[in-house]
Amino acid sequence: DIQMTQSPSSLSASVGDRVTITCRASQTISSFHLNWYQQKPGKAPKVLIYGTSRLQTGVPSRFSGSGSGTDFTLSISSLQPEDSATYYCQRSYSTTWTFGQGTKVAIK
Amino acid sequence: EVELVESGGGLVQPGGSLRLSCVASGFTFRSYEMHWVRQAPGKGLEWVSSISTSGNTVYNADSVKGRFTISRDNGKNSLFVQMNSLRAEDTAVYYCARRVIIAAPDGVSYFYYMDVWGKGTTVIVSS
Repeated sequence: DIQMTQSPSSLSASVGDRVTITCRASQTISSFHLNWYQQKPGKAPKVLIYGTSRLQTGVPSRFSGSGSGTDFTLSISSLQPEDSATYYCQRSYSTTWTFGQGTKVAIK
Repeated sequence: EVELVESGGGLVQPGGSLRLSCVASGFTFRSYEMHWVRQAPGKGLEWVSSISTSGNTVYNADSVKGRFTISRDNGKNSLFVQMNSLRAEDTAVYYCARRVIIAAPDGVSYFYYMDVWGKGTTVIVSS
């Protein structure tokens, strides 16, 4: 089975900083099948980006995604207080779906 | 409004059984593949099971194979998971989620992701 590994596990940054989270697959995956979710405490996850780089409707443009093969990134261009959350990458596939272990983003 | 509402969680002893439900509203339920995803306390998200639109095709994570059975009733806009032989490690918040499929620009591939989630129902397996 393909494993998804995120780094770092947590980070702390200041408002206005650029933040980058990495997701590495244990083998090559299709860029069509890499998604990113945001989860705030006590809430259900919310999709931010699908297909590596496509922004879900309503998601602020400061979020962006890139990558291919085994290495993918989620970036926040200018961190805002409301971005404090845990972020998960996800490999979507017809038979099994796999999440990364999550990256907790805190505001300094 | 598009909505998913889970129910059926609770406290159960190890080895026991529980059936979770998820009722959908605001969209054509029978047109969407559906999933269960869980989250153990303080841990990350874990995909559990999926079911096709007709209910004829299901997939399960290795951690629940042979113990959990996903099903659906399209006439009642409802998704279920029957959980048997429960273990302490099954303690989690269980979310149901809708899978959306979008054609990619290449005309051959598709994007798949979970675009609507319920608020979750909590299962605690403990003696």
